Amino acid sequence: AQSVTQPDIHITVSEGASLELRCNYSYGATPYLFWYVQSPGQGLQLLLKYFSGDTLVQGIKGFEAEFKRSQSSFNLRKPSVHWSDAAEYFCAVRSNSGYALNFGKGTSLLVTP
Amino acid sequence: DVKVTQSSRYLVKRTGEKVFLECVQDMDHENMFWYRQDPGLGLRLIYFSYDVKMKEKGDIPEGYSVSREKKERFSLILESASTNQTSMYLCASSQSQLRQPQHFGDGTRLSIL
Repeated sequence: AQSVTQPDIHITVSEGASLELRCNYSYGATPYLFWYVQSPGQGLQLLLKYFSGDTLVQGIKGFEAEFKRSQSSFNLRKPSVHWSDAAEYFCAVRSNSGYALNFGKGTSLLVTP
Repeated sequence: DVKVTQSSRYLVKRTGEKVFLECVQDMDHENMFWYRQDPGLGLRLIYFSYDVKMKEKGDIPEGYSVSREKKERFSLILESASTNQTSMYLCASSQSQLRQPQHFGDGTRLSIL
């Protein structure tokens, strides 16, 4: 079954520093991949998605992600983090059924001054 | 913008009660989903529906049922609430095409006493 692994439970970065959140997926064919962000007490907001084509995907809020088939990875990046980026980030892959998403366990981002 | 509305942000119920969580979407989406979110476990799929009156079990359906009588509304039912069902519940909807993302409500934090 398709699955994703987010190796980092917590990450702390300084405001203005660059950010990379890791996501590894398990899937035979080209997967449909998504990154979501969840602010405290809120639902999930879509940051970006990948299903084919250019392997570097641009999203909202200045985020981007790169699909690397050879590494089975879909890492999320941002060149300069803002304090408002502090949140929980989830990577997800479309499930076998084609309907639902399988989510990673999430990475909690803390931004220090 | 897609709007997914969950009827309650916070809910407190007692063990053994029958609990209804309601979700409404305004974009004529075919698919609707119920997830539960617990710390360290990420999001886990309870049930989903790909059409009116159609439902499929997700990964953790035990103790839950669902109802979809109208396309825009998807209800999650806890038949006899137990303390281990205390959690954050998230509803989502999506179009039927595989590459379309899911859109989430703000969640219902349910406490069973």
